Amino acid sequence: QLPLQESGPGLVKPSETLSLTCTVSGASISTSNYYWVWIRQPPGKGLEWIGSMYSSGTTYYNPSLKSRVTISLDTSMNQFSLKLISVTAADTAMYYCARGEWVQFGMMGWFDPWGQGTFVTVSS
Amino acid sequence: EIVMTQSPATLSVSPGESATLSCRASQSVSINLAWYQQKPDQAPRLLIYDASTRATGIPARFSGSGSGTEFTLTISSLQSEDFAVYYCQQYDDWPPLTFGGGTKVEIK
Repeated sequence: QLPLQESGPGLVKPSETLSLTCTVSGASISTSNYYWVWIRQPPGKGLEWIGSMYSSGTTYYNPSLKSRVTISLDTSMNQFSLKLISVTAADTAMYYCARGEWVQFGMMGWFDPWGQGTFVTVSS
Repeated sequence: EIVMTQSPATLSVSPGESATLSCRASQSVSINLAWYQQKPDQAPRLLIYDASTRATGIPARFSGSGSGTEFTLTISSLQSEDFAVYYCQQYDDWPPLTFGGGTKVEIK
């Protein structure tokens, strides 16, 4: 069983909403020991942090995406989710979820482990 | 936003040789820096955090150094499984958390 596993549609139409879920195993998503992260990687390009969520409900988003992104937790399912509205072809990417480690509590640090990723194509 | 710049973009190395990868921050990030390895069609894997601390299970041939704005990842005696893309990431000042553009280590 993978520690983190992304799921969701592989194809989204332009202007619609991209919705992905990350199922977490081996740790409760309610724990304050970690935080939860979404990262993406366009084809052939580098990594872009999308946003993070703490178990307290605090969220931080990349300013470049902030107006379009929502990250939420579902503690009953031990999952966290990503919603990205008004998608365009530029949102075509591999989307990864990851667990975040604290530098000290409240201060986000590095990401470990990562899910295997799910590729989302934005096309009509 | 802190911009992370990695160099070179591509590094050609023979197996058994060592590789030195650089990561520069646009402002000081103290030691708040991580390194990741990404092999083709795989998710990134954490190698180093806090600039020089190896993650669990990472071989000793991987070492990180630096502080402030200049960081180095050294891979000694490259093995076949080490040919990959390497990314640095700062977590000193956010949002956003930012990554470098990556260095591809290829077989010479």
